[in-house]
Amino acid sequence: EVQLLESGGGLVQPGGSLRLSCAASQFTFSSYAMSWVRQTPGKGLEWVSAISSGGDRTYYADSVRGRFTMSRDNSRDTLYLQMNSLRAEDTAMYYCARHTSGRPHDYWGQGTLVTVSS
Amino acid sequence: DIQMTQSPSSLSASVGDTVTITCRASQGISNHLVWFQQQPGKAPKSLIYAPSSLQSGVPSRFSGSGSGTAFTLTISSLQPEDFATYYCQHFNNYPWTFGQGTRVEVK
Repeated sequence: EVQLLESGGGLVQPGGSLRLSCAASQFTFSSYAMSWVRQTPGKGLEWVSAISSGGDRTYYADSVRGRFTMSRDNSRDTLYLQMNSLRAEDTAMYYCARHTSGRPHDYWGQGTLVTVSS
Repeated sequence: DIQMTQSPSSLSASVGDTVTITCRASQGISNHLVWFQQQPGKAPKSLIYAPSSLQSGVPSRFSGSGSGTAFTLTISSLQPEDFATYYCQHFNNYPWTFGQGTRVEVK
């Protein structure tokens, strides 16, 4: 069974930084594009960023472009999201999700909570 | 950006009912649409993609249809475990966007 395990969330002050990780297992990580998706408490889902299987192409939502950087280490089967200049509105549960061709987000992790507050 | 609009925002139904949720895209997205189910406190789960193919393990009472700008998710013979929130999402081009969700509640 595909497994995705996020970590790195926590409480951070506005303007601070945080790096999220997503450890993948039970599938060939290097063959799949990946995404980060977030969900504000009690609200809906927002796609944040995506990365190609090889890591050479990245895509971002306007709300995070220039502040967040997505990357991956295929030798470690791990996905990352470096979040800088954090704002209160970045407070959310952050999920990593796998893409299969024609089936984005076919598997999701359990999420890691990021809280931006002073 | 493409806007995804779901209707209704919530609905009340009973076990055994058939429910239909509509998702509309602000511009044509061909068949580049997926549906997710989310139970409270859990991660979303992929249900249907492209937009009528069932994800592995999803019961056949779930079905999807549509193309272009209008899509539907139908749940036939609603079961207790189907009371949840449902989201559509397009993947026609970046940025991918989700609908606001439809909460299916017990009548």
